Amino acid sequence: KNQVEQSPQSLIILEGKNCTLQCNYTVSPFSNLRWYKQDTGRGPVSLTIMTFSENTKSNGRYTATLDADTKQSSLHITASQLSDSASYICVVSHNNAGNMLTFGGGTRLMVKP
Amino acid sequence: EPEVTQTPSHQVTQMGQEVILRCVPISNHLYFYWYRQILGQKVEFLVSFYNNEISEKSEIFDDQFSVERPDGSNFTLKIRSTKLEDSAMYFCASKRLAGGGGTDTQYFGPGTRLTVL
Repeated sequence: KNQVEQSPQSLIILEGKNCTLQCNYTVSPFSNLRWYKQDTGRGPVSLTIMTFSENTKSNGRYTATLDADTKQSSLHITASQLSDSASYICVVSHNNAGNMLTFGGGTRLMVKP
Repeated sequence: EPEVTQTPSHQVTQMGQEVILRCVPISNHLYFYWYRQILGQKVEFLVSFYNNEISEKSEIFDDQFSVERPDGSNFTLKIRSTKLEDSAMYFCASKRLAGGGGTDTQYFGPGTRLTVL
């Protein structure tokens, strides 16, 4: 069964600090892995997309890594801001058209002043 | 910046009633999707739609669900006879047609919160 597991479930950090969120997946066949940010009551917003051959991708203060051998990904947030408070969802695509997505449960990040 | 819009933002209905959730995808996008997120749970894929037909659907998308693009701009999800367990946030998404690899970004709407009483 295709599954995406994330840890931790929730995280509280102080503004300005860095943090790393983890994602493990068992999805076959693997097409690509995405990280989304979801504010409360809103739709997910794409942060990064990585294919099998990519092992790191950055988008501003967000850096995602992918180890396709161990089926693990991480999202590193640098110099956190209050606006980073949201759920961060790891999503794996398991068909070539990128249409079949399996979502993780998300990590709820709270950044405190 | 273009965005996906959804109406209504909140729909309350009685069990057994039909509901139609509406979405206006980004105008030059060709792939359309519906997802649902039960409160406190993961986002779940329901269906993808391309070239006026369903391209993939999940086990959740059974006979009580249907989708259509009636007028070239709106993309709708119909639930024929709602059940209590259909209460969830329903997200519409769209993307441009990408070549192989499927790495094109899906853009999500703000969601419709459906409450079935």
